[in-house]
Amino acid sequence: QKEVEQNSGPLSVPEGAIASLNCTYSDRVSQSFFWYRQYSGKSPELIMSIYSNGDKEDGRFTAQLNKASQYVSLLIRDSQPSDSATYLCAVMGRAAGNKLTFGGGTRVLVKP
Amino acid sequence: KAGVTQTPRYLIKTRGQQVTLSCSPISGHRSVSWYQQTPGQGLQFLFEYFSETQRNKGNFPGRFSGRQFSNSRSEMNVSTLELGDSALYLCASSLFNGNEQFFGPGTRLTVL
Repeated sequence: QKEVEQNSGPLSVPEGAIASLNCTYSDRVSQSFFWYRQYSGKSPELIMSIYSNGDKEDGRFTAQLNKASQYVSLLIRDSQPSDSATYLCAVMGRAAGNKLTFGGGTRVLVKP
Repeated sequence: KAGVTQTPRYLIKTRGQQVTLSCSPISGHRSVSWYQQTPGQGLQFLFEYFSETQRNKGNFPGRFSGRQFSNSRSEMNVSTLELGDSALYLCASSLFNGNEQFFGPGTRLTVL
């Protein structure tokens, strides 16, 4: 079992719709969770961080964390063609120091 | 505030050579982490430095090494290059352990 798992996609969504991305992790003591966006040929860009159970909203993005289910998700509302990218889920555990463990990423395609 | 910078951006080497990559973190950030990104393995953690000390290391051979200077700038070195070392090498900086990490543009290394 991979430490951090994501559906590779592509997740195809029409412009203006909600894109829903999921991520599960195996380390129960994980404490910090991050979503990065990576455009082709570019480096990852941090878009959300979440540390406690529940929802966290930032503009069109909402991160949801459920530690009991070891599950974190990202919702992108009013999806735009510029949101087309690979979204990486990253997890940091207390025992792992400052190490981020990444999922394989979900490729999102927003169609006009 | 300037972001994370990495030099060089592109590098072509031949097998057996060695290479040194450089990373300057965001001003005030004291933690620098290095990651390797390949299409097959995704993003993998190499090592992390804080206050000139390596605090965490990933599962890479001893050919991969790094260091951090008193101004928080960091270098990583790969000796005896192999074809499989071809990858995008990413540096990320954070204020302190467990905090959000911000990536630089990366160094794309090609080993021929």
